[in-house]
Amino acid sequence: NAGVMQNPRHLVRRRGQEARLRCSPMKGHSHVYWYRQLPEEGLKFMVYLQKENIIDESGMPKERFSAEFPKEGPSILRIQQVVRGDSAAYFCASSLGQAPEAFFGQGTRLTVV
Amino acid sequence: AQSVSQHNHHVILSEAASLELGCNYSYGGTVNLFWYVQYPGQHLQLLLKYFSGDPLVKGIKGFEAEFIKSKFSFNLRKPSVQWSDTAEYFCAVTGAGSYQLTFGKGTKLSVIP
Repeated sequence: NAGVMQNPRHLVRRRGQEARLRCSPMKGHSHVYWYRQLPEEGLKFMVYLQKENIIDESGMPKERFSAEFPKEGPSILRIQQVVRGDSAAYFCASSLGQAPEAFFGQGTRLTVV
Repeated sequence: AQSVSQHNHHVILSEAASLELGCNYSYGGTVNLFWYVQYPGQHLQLLLKYFSGDPLVKGIKGFEAEFIKSKFSFNLRKPSVQWSDTAEYFCAVTGAGSYQLTFGKGTKLSVIP
């Protein structure tokens, strides 16, 4: 199931810059989930989107973070004014319908220097 | 709140040794349980899942897991590991009908030839 594509694989940003992480779901999937894995921690749910809609953003920090899944194109997770604590691996997953069984991408490793 | 505990951070085994990775969860309702694996440089992929029925679940690559409801456990087993099983293993849980996965911190498995 190598169909969920995330890019870039690695991203280095200086403090205060913006980070944009992209996720193309598997073909035919219209449900996308973002998870974050901080060092030495498990993956934690951030946000669930369907095409053009945010369904659940209960796990997303209230400031500086936003996500979208436009009608055309990949889902984007955007982090403004990054800080060192944003350094983590960000995973995207997709599913056909709303389901716990989702297919994951390789993740984007964000390093803030 | 849901939580998942994986007992071992790093396990080192010789080839042909037997493997058991512990996973305990905390959740006050019906659960769906998963084991995911991430091989070096690859995406997170589903090894096996339990939704209902036979508590002994067989997955890919010779892995199996047993759901013991009274112990809130879902341990992963393999009778004889291979070098190619070197990877990080994640246990995850979600409430029945929910899409939000709660992950453990992961266990790194290193298999020595």
